[in-house]
Amino acid sequence: DTGVSQNPRHKITKRGQNVTFRCDPISEHNRLYWYRQTLGQGPEFLTYFQNEAQLEKSRLLSDRFSAERPKGSFSTLEIQRTEQGDSAMYLCASSRTGAENYGYTFGSGTRLTVV
Amino acid sequence: AQSVTQPDIHITVSEGASLELRCNYSYGATPYLFWYVQSPGQGLQLLLKYFSGDTLVQGIKGFEAEFKRSQSSFNLRKPSVHWSDAAEYFCAVGPPGGTASKLTFGTGTRLQVTL
Repeated sequence: DTGVSQNPRHKITKRGQNVTFRCDPISEHNRLYWYRQTLGQGPEFLTYFQNEAQLEKSRLLSDRFSAERPKGSFSTLEIQRTEQGDSAMYLCASSRTGAENYGYTFGSGTRLTVV
Repeated sequence: AQSVTQPDIHITVSEGASLELRCNYSYGATPYLFWYVQSPGQGLQLLLKYFSGDTLVQGIKGFEAEFKRSQSSFNLRKPSVHWSDAAEYFCAVGPPGGTASKLTFGTGTRLQVTL
């Protein structure tokens, strides 16, 4: 169990640029989640996948945001035309389905700064 | 809509003193309840979780939490705090039933430990 891996750890980008983050979940976990955390706040749900299917998206996920999980393994989160308000920590988590496994394993996050 | 309230933004305790972090939730039914800890620049680590049954649950690192249905509370406690416990603590709720879809987090309580 190598944990949930997120890359890059930090990203600084200019406003208007596109960025993409990657998350590699724990290999046997079929569920993968994306959360966003701004300074002084708790994580806010963005979206989650079960295998390769995206089952739910938050209203926070505007049309500039897109997430994919091809083949049900790693996932990418892309933000197009970044805005300063997108600056945040983007957290990925994974889990198995089933109540006994409820509770995620989080990665260390990708900190995005839009200048 | 579900919500989680952590009324204390910042708490300072002396090493060796006891700790209680408060969490109140608003939910249609009794949700699944969680406490996570986040060290600076890191992801979140699950401390403990409550699904049903015994209302006093034990977690890692010597933490425990008590579910009180009448007060819609799930307070986190530790009898004797160590300097390494300094971190941010988040209470979270999730839909009951084992669907493991998404969590709603509180805004967190930052714990400072003085020596």
